[in-house]
Amino acid sequence: AQRVTQPEKLLSVFKGAPVELKCNYSYSGSPELFWYVQYSRQRLQLLLRHISRESIKGFTADLNKGETSFHLKKPFAQEEDSAMYYCALSGLGNEKLTFGTGTRLTIIP
Amino acid sequence: NAGVTQTPKFQVLKTGQSMTLQCAQDMNHEYMSWYRQDPGMGLRLIHYSVGAGITDQGEVPNGYNVSRSTTEDFPLRLLSAAPSQTSVYFCASSSQGNTIYFGEGSWLTVV
Repeated sequence: AQRVTQPEKLLSVFKGAPVELKCNYSYSGSPELFWYVQYSRQRLQLLLRHISRESIKGFTADLNKGETSFHLKKPFAQEEDSAMYYCALSGLGNEKLTFGTGTRLTIIP
Repeated sequence: NAGVTQTPKFQVLKTGQSMTLQCAQDMNHEYMSWYRQDPGMGLRLIHYSVGAGITDQGEVPNGYNVSRSTTEDFPLRLLSAAPSQTSVYFCASSSQGNTIYFGEGSWLTVV
């Protein structure tokens, strides 16, 4: 069965400090991994997709198949990073997603 | 440039009432899906569709019905609303191998 685990429900970080949001997964096969961000009462927006290897808003994430992890990182947190972050996976078709339970990130000024 | 459109945005229902959440996309995506978002549980898949006339159950399908008569529309029906269905509902669409886009959400309260 496929599963996504985000161990931290809440994470508070000072502005300017590094941020790391953890994500581990289990999936039989080759999944595609994503990070979605949700600002207060808004729709989910795609932040990162592992196959694109882009850096969006200063965030990066590397897929570690040995550790089955896809942690989200940013070297210097900004106040506008405060949001809910979801890690998710899909099969090759991308017809549906399995989400983690989310991490609420708060940046302390 | 509408993307994924959901209606209504807010709804209050009485227990036992039925209603339909509408979802439409204008991107000609073959894949559409419905999720519910609950505190501490993330988003869970209710039903999904890989094309017109094809639907399948997700993780939490009980109490919900879907149909996909056109590529553009994927309505979600609550047959007899229960307080446990109080949630935020998100519709999403995508094409094979590409980004999954979400609607703005529908806040449903069942009293």
